[in-house]
Amino acid sequence: SAVISQKPSRDICQRGTSLTIQCQVDSQVTMMFWYRQQPGQSLTLIATANQGSEATYESGFVIDKFPISRPNLTFSTLTVSNMSPEDSSIYLCSVGTNSYEQYFGPGTRLTVT
Amino acid sequence: QKEVEQNSGPLSVPEGAIASLNCTYSDRVSQSFFWYRQYSGKSPELIMSIYSNGDKEDGRFTAQLNKASQYVSLLIRDSQPSDSATYLCAVIDSGGSNYKLTFGKGTLLTVNP
Repeated sequence: SAVISQKPSRDICQRGTSLTIQCQVDSQVTMMFWYRQQPGQSLTLIATANQGSEATYESGFVIDKFPISRPNLTFSTLTVSNMSPEDSSIYLCSVGTNSYEQYFGPGTRLTVT
Repeated sequence: QKEVEQNSGPLSVPEGAIASLNCTYSDRVSQSFFWYRQYSGKSPELIMSIYSNGDKEDGRFTAQLNKASQYVSLLIRDSQPSDSATYLCAVIDSGGSNYKLTFGKGTLLTVNP
């Protein structure tokens, strides 16, 4: 499976600021996904980021709050904008395969104060 | 809203026993099913994929799928303390061109030495 890295691994940010999370894959992949996992909860899909098309957002998530870039087949970014304490969470990127499997990066632990 | 339900747990078994984890899903069209293991503070790790009715075995793990009853289970034989983790059931929604995963809330498994 692909090797996936995320930066930063964790951060503490002040409310009202923005943070951009990077996801790098060691091989070319078509499908990349961004998830959020709040403390003690399961994973919630934020958006799907396929190269060459606009990101597709899930209900409850909007582009102004979570803009996503996908400039090539190995890289994507998720920005958390105008942060509030409710955005404190773990943000995970994943990559999809042709057999519908998904593999996750190590995650970014975000705390908003 | 497509749903994935898991037995709430937590589940505690003695070392060497069989751990049984269950999952039901609401979408009759779903064709792909996955079990992830998530250690505390880590990202989810794919441990089993199953696509056809019946059993699929991989080492100490067996996934069982029954599409008519809309359930998928994971059996862990000869449970080890290192199996202690949260197990997440995930079901694919293959509508359109984006292969979205819907996750259950997870079952916390503790294997006691």
